[in-house]
This record gives sequence, structure tokens and C-alpha cells, in this order.
Amino acid sequence: ETGVTQTPRHLVMGMTNKKSLKCEQHLGHNAMYWYKQSAKKPLELMFVYSLEERVENNSVPSRFSPECPNSSHLFLHLHTLQPEDSALYLCASSQALSGANVLTFGAGSRLTVL
Amino acid sequence: AQTVTQSQPEMSVQEAETVTLSCTYDTSESDYYLFWYKQPPSRQMILVIRQEAYKQQNATENRFSVNFQKAAKSFSLKISDSQLGDAAMYFCAYRSDNNDMRFGAGTRLTVKP
Repeated sequence: ETGVTQTPRHLVMGMTNKKSLKCEQHLGHNAMYWYKQSAKKPLELMFVYSLEERVENNSVPSRFSPECPNSSHLFLHLHTLQPEDSALYLCASSQALSGANVLTFGAGSRLTVL
Repeated sequence: AQTVTQSQPEMSVQEAETVTLSCTYDTSESDYYLFWYKQPPSRQMILVIRQEAYKQQNATENRFSVNFQKAAKSFSLKISDSQLGDAAMYFCAYRSDNNDMRFGAGTRLTVKP
């Protein structure tokens, strides 16, 4: 399998549940990203990891907790979410952090919080 | 903060015709990179074209080309000979050398047969 794979594709959870989104890249990239995509809004960068170290956290609420155990895997742990957290969550990777490097995206995980 | 503005929420084009999607950005940097990404209904965002700000020549990829006006901070995407498969959301993106990356809100392109 190649590219960036995200699971699950769809997730419905209650406000008290705990769930996780998984992202896996088979491209040998060193940087991985979580984005939130809401309707009619620009993509919002949530977290950036480079060589498994978090390098950016854009004021994301603590109910979102990222984990990067190795350069190929990225998780987003979810707990006590709010209905406004319902969105498409996109994972991406790039060879490195520098501006010239193109992001390769996964197909996203559609999250619905009831 | 750098912002990216796509002023056309929706556009439509007749199959085989040409369409131009607009994008403007705000930056105080001199070196940066600009991208157009396409997101079809299947949701996977894919790169369409990339432009380095230090290059004066406009990037071209087959039927896709850009009009990069650095002084005006404008980066429009032209799609020639539009095909049904071009229907998607198109996002303009800016990225600086220090990894500050911003996306526009997107333009939904409809292609009419």
C-alpha cells in the first residue's frame, strides 16, 4: 500500500466517548500533520510532527491529543468532544518541513459528534 | 499573519472550455511557495501545481497553468479544455520557508457536459 492511509473513514461518537484516528504513511516522509476541515472554512492546521517530535500545536483544545510513535504513524486521540468538533480530519505528510516540500494528504476521517 | 483568499466560492465551466480560479495572499516574506490542491468528492486532496516565488516563469502542468503576479500577490489557476473529472474543490495554499502554511477556503468547480 502506498500514500497516506487514514482510518476510520467515518466515525460517530458521543460527547463522553474516547476514540482515536489513525494515519499511516508509506512514503518515507519525515513530517506529518493533522488538519481540521470544516465546511466553507480554510483548512485549520492542528499539529505538526517532524521526526516524531511535535513542532507545532496551534492552540488546539486538550480534548484532542496527538501521538506520533514513529515517523510512519500518527494518531489523534479524542475524548469528551463537542458537537462543533464534527468535521473532516485530514492527515498529511511531507518529506521535510521546509516550504518547498509538497504535502501528501490522506482521504480523511469524517467525525460526527452527537 | 499570512492569509489566503479565494474570492469565488463556486465556479462552473462548460466541458472543453477554459476557466480561471482566483487566489490572492498576504505576506511580508520574499521567499515562499504557492500551491493549488484539488479535492474531488472522494475527499483525497491532491496537488495540482506548485510555484516557487523566486521563479518568474509561470508553472504549467499539462492543462493546468498559473498566472503568478508576485507584486500583486495573486496566484490564479487556469484550467484549459475542462473535463468532467476536473469537478472538485480547489484550494489555494501558501507556504513560507519557516513552515507557515495557509489554505484558502476553496472554490467549488462544476463542469457541465
